[in-house]
Amino acid sequence: DVKVTQSSRYLVKRTGEKVFLECVQDMDHENMFWYRQDPGLGLRLIYFSYDVKMKEKGDIPEGYSVSREKKERFSLILESASTNQTSMYLCASSWLGLPGGYFGPGTRLTVT
Amino acid sequence: RKEVEQDPGPFNVPEGATVAFNCTYSNSASQSFFWYRQDCRKEPKLLMSVYSSGNEDGRFTAQLNRASQYISLLIRDSKLSDSATYLCAVIVNSGNTPLVFGKGTRLSVIA
Repeated sequence: DVKVTQSSRYLVKRTGEKVFLECVQDMDHENMFWYRQDPGLGLRLIYFSYDVKMKEKGDIPEGYSVSREKKERFSLILESASTNQTSMYLCASSWLGLPGGYFGPGTRLTVT
Repeated sequence: RKEVEQDPGPFNVPEGATVAFNCTYSNSASQSFFWYRQDCRKEPKLLMSVYSSGNEDGRFTAQLNRASQYISLLIRDSKLSDSATYLCAVIVNSGNTPLVFGKGTRLSVIA
């Protein structure tokens, strides 16, 4: 079974803090993605990566950065957390050329 | 027009009923299509891919209508456990591009 894990299920941070969300997949997938999901807005793509050290902006990259130093790990960084970044963050991975993603369990982040 | 649109519902149906959802996409060059299921406070899980020839998996049937640019999901003999949000997802262009998701359709199956 494909396994995508995320470092935390629930996280509470204060405004202005730097936040790291980690995602690890164990299926040797080339592609990895970060989405956020908000009521009424659905899943929105933040960043994605097709290979190590490679990254592409998604639809809403502002306020976020990413890092992919190893194939299995894709990190999402909130440089200075703000209350409007309170959301459910979902990581996904897939094989190159075989679309369809497998999601991690999500991290529910609250910024106060 | 949004790239991928779904009726948010909710669809409230009795057990045993047949229910169908549609999902429209705006880009005629869209290549790949999927249905995901998402339970409350859980991650989306891939339910099935949608092929040009249609795809059936037990009580679930997915179909693609390229001429009208929509995909559909049919659930027969609904179970209480089918209650969830169903998301459609589309690869808008060819190649290795990310999925674009609809906002989902909420289904409640009632005893």
